[in-house]
Amino acid sequence: NAGVTQTPKFRILKIGQSMTLQCTQDMNHNYMYWYRQDPGMGLKLIYYSVGAGITDKGEVPNGYNVSRSTTEDFPLRLELAAPSQTSVYFCASSYSGITGNPYNEQFFGPGTRLTVL
Amino acid sequence: DAKTTQPPSMDCAEGRAANLPCNHSTISGNEYVYWYRQIHSQGPQYIIHGLKNNETNEMASLIITEDRKSSTLILPHATLRDTAVYYCIVRDWGRGSTLGRLYFGRGTQLTVWP
Repeated sequence: NAGVTQTPKFRILKIGQSMTLQCTQDMNHNYMYWYRQDPGMGLKLIYYSVGAGITDKGEVPNGYNVSRSTTEDFPLRLELAAPSQTSVYFCASSYSGITGNPYNEQFFGPGTRLTVL
Repeated sequence: DAKTTQPPSMDCAEGRAANLPCNHSTISGNEYVYWYRQIHSQGPQYIIHGLKNNETNEMASLIITEDRKSSTLILPHATLRDTAVYYCIVRDWGRGSTLGRLYFGRGTQLTVWP
């Protein structure tokens, strides 16, 4: 299994440009998440999804959009890039059954380092 | 979710035990304690979790005090590759809980020196 893969690894955007960060997992996990991490800080949740067709906002959703058309893919869209979105973006996935998942082990991708100039 | 307090940094000699403390004085009865770590520039990695009993796996041990207001992650024989930021997180996993969300603070930067 490849686990969680993210593309691209690095990207530089100009202010106002748009882009999509790709995330794919091959573990058949139902939950997927997008986090951002600013320098020297912990991770903050942007959006999450509990299954195909279902998404919801996390702590810092402004300026981003997501979709979940399949179990495997959870792309993150930036419509109008701003310098404040310069960050490292991590995608993660986990499995939770009907009764919940006490292990809640989230598997993280390698991250996408985004710079907006 | 309960907040946690961790020291910003610690160091440890290679081969010695690394003991990382975490305070979670507002933890509620159905909240678990989770530990993740993040090696520089990589995604976080799950280490261990527990509710009230001490836990051990191939990576570490987790000691939770009887009142559950604090815990300690123990790396029994630290190596240079254990240098990372360690995050202590508490959350409720049960039915109706907030869907697996983890709240990461700033964690503890552990530096293992030769």
